[in-house]
Amino acid sequence: AQSVTQLDSQVPVFEEAPVELRCNYSSSVSVYLFWYVQYPNQGLQLLLKYLSGSTLVKGINGFEAEFNKSQTSFHLRKPSVHISDTAEYFCAVSVDQAGTALIFGKGTTLSVSS
Amino acid sequence: NAGVTQTPKFQVLKTGQSMTLQCAQDMNHEYMSWYRQDPGMGLRLIHYSVGAGITDQGEVPNGYNVSRSTTEDFPLRLLSAAPSQTSVYFCASSYRPQGAEAFFGQGTRLTVV
Repeated sequence: AQSVTQLDSQVPVFEEAPVELRCNYSSSVSVYLFWYVQYPNQGLQLLLKYLSGSTLVKGINGFEAEFNKSQTSFHLRKPSVHISDTAEYFCAVSVDQAGTALIFGKGTTLSVSS
Repeated sequence: NAGVTQTPKFQVLKTGQSMTLQCAQDMNHEYMSWYRQDPGMGLRLIHYSVGAGITDQGEVPNGYNVSRSTTEDFPLRLLSAAPSQTSVYFCASSYRPQGAEAFFGQGTRLTVV
């Protein structure tokens, strides 16, 4: 069975600092990996996804993630964060090929302050 | 486009009552699913559907029923509400191709007293 572990529940950073949100997964089959963002009182929005090919994936709003099969990780990074990046971030793995039936991690709250 | 529409946005139920959370999408997506979000627990998959007439259980299906009679609609039924079902519920849909983006509704906040 698939599972996802987000290693940090909260990450406080200052504006313009770099950030890394960590995600590890376990799966007995090939995986499709996703990062979603949730702004307060809103639904989820896709940041980026890994299906195959290049292990470095670029997403929206300057975020990128690196798939590491040997370490079963999919960490999210941004070189310089903004106040507007304050949100909850979810790592997810799909249980089918379409990416709709997702298994989510518990989330990481990113708090950016000035 | 409306995208994924969930109704109602807020609901208060008494223990033992039944209700249906509605989810409709206008994007002709084959895949639809329901999640619940609880503080510190992330989103957990309740049920999902890969097409009209086909549904399957997710991580936390107990206490919930679903059906998929049309491509557009995927209602979630609570037969006898319990306080443990107090949560925010999200519906999502996506195209059939591999790795397609899931589009989420705005959520339904349900309180069971």
